[in-house]
Amino acid sequence: EDKVVQSPLSLVVHEGDTVTLNCSYEVTNFRSLLWYKQEKKAPTFLFMLTSSGIEKKSGRLSSILDKKELFSILNITATQTGDSAVYLCAWAGGTASKLTFGTGTRLQVTL
Amino acid sequence: NAGVTQTPKFRVLKTGQSMTLLCAQDMNHEYMYWYRQDPGMGLRLIHYSVGEGTTAKGEVPDGYNVSRLKKQNFLLGLESAAPSQTSVYFCASSYPYDSLVDIGYTFGSGTRLTVV
Repeated sequence: EDKVVQSPLSLVVHEGDTVTLNCSYEVTNFRSLLWYKQEKKAPTFLFMLTSSGIEKKSGRLSSILDKKELFSILNITATQTGDSAVYLCAWAGGTASKLTFGTGTRLQVTL
Repeated sequence: NAGVTQTPKFRVLKTGQSMTLLCAQDMNHEYMYWYRQDPGMGLRLIHYSVGEGTTAKGEVPDGYNVSRLKKQNFLLGLESAAPSQTSVYFCASSYPYDSLVDIGYTFGSGTRLTVV
């Protein structure tokens, strides 16, 4: 059975800390892995990773994929309270661009 | 630039009632999806469509039906609502996979449904 596992389930850090969120997967017909940020409403797209070892970066956020070990990490440096959200990873495979999501990591950044 | 619009945003149903959730997108996307999100469960795919007139089952299709009569609209129906269908429902749309790079899905803002 295909599965995507995120860890930790929740995390509380102080503003300015650096955090690493993990996503491991055991899936068939893997094509890519995506990261989303979800605040109060709809998930918003962060990154899509297809190739191993190539880091994607956007401001203080970065992500990398390891297709040999079947995991991805999302790093957030110098965290801010606005980074508080649920971070979802999802894999794309098979037909129709379907995404299968993990359960998410809830990040809370405190002052 | 509306993107993906879901209606209604909130709804309370009694067990056994029926309703339809509407999803409309103005980006000319071929693919559309309905997900439900429950606490601790992430998003789970209910049904999806790869084009006008086509639909297919996702991970949790039981109790739901869908229709895609027009390319821009994807309807999700509950024929006889049950408390287990209390959830937040998200619609999304996308291009075919080869065009997904650095785009991902576009999600609607969600419908919070409570069945009592």
